[in-house]
Amino acid sequence: NAGVMQNPRHLVRRRGQEARLRCSPMKGHSHVYWYRQLPEEGLKFMVYLQKENIIDESGMPKERFSAEFPKEGPSILRIQQVVRGDSAAYFCASSPGQGVHEQYFGPGTRLTVT
Amino acid sequence: KNQVEQSPQSLIILEGKNCTLQCNYTVSPFSNLRWYKQDTGRGPVSLTIMTFSENTKSNGRYTATLDADTKQSSLHITASQLSDSASYICVVSTTGGGNKLTFGTGTQLKVEL
Repeated sequence: NAGVMQNPRHLVRRRGQEARLRCSPMKGHSHVYWYRQLPEEGLKFMVYLQKENIIDESGMPKERFSAEFPKEGPSILRIQQVVRGDSAAYFCASSPGQGVHEQYFGPGTRLTVT
Repeated sequence: KNQVEQSPQSLIILEGKNCTLQCNYTVSPFSNLRWYKQDTGRGPVSLTIMTFSENTKSNGRYTATLDADTKQSSLHITASQLSDSASYICVVSTTGGGNKLTFGTGTQLKVEL
């Protein structure tokens, strides 16, 4: 059973470009979470999605950031018009349900904005 | 505001020695507390999950404790190995809201020969 997959592992974008980060959850998992880890800081919750639904996006910046988890295919975190402050590691996690369930993390995508 | 604080920030120990990492939290309403291990450049890996009613849980050489009254937790590592060098992160989950996690900034552990 493959773990959570994220790609790309490293992404370099110039200011103003768009960044698309992909996350394929573990087989059988329909709950996906996105987290951001800034340098020297802990992970911060961004958004929680189930298939085709955004359940909680209270951690998402109001502008430029969006997330989706379509019926088919991976979850996508999209950052439009990136700025230097968006440089961070973005982690995706998946779980089989809510409550006291294990969240399994992917290896992360390291975004660098030049 | 929900917060998780860990101490020490970093720690160096010799291989074979034991160590204890601390975590204090102000998260409400509390659901469960988790300890994760994060190797450099990798995603976090779960070590233990404890609910309100549990006060200790072991996973091999890792033993976590929870005092829900004082809102404190500890992670004890026994007979440390070089491969234990990593960041250890205390994470607290709130009830409702889809299992949202609040992360501490971690204790950076280095095990040396």
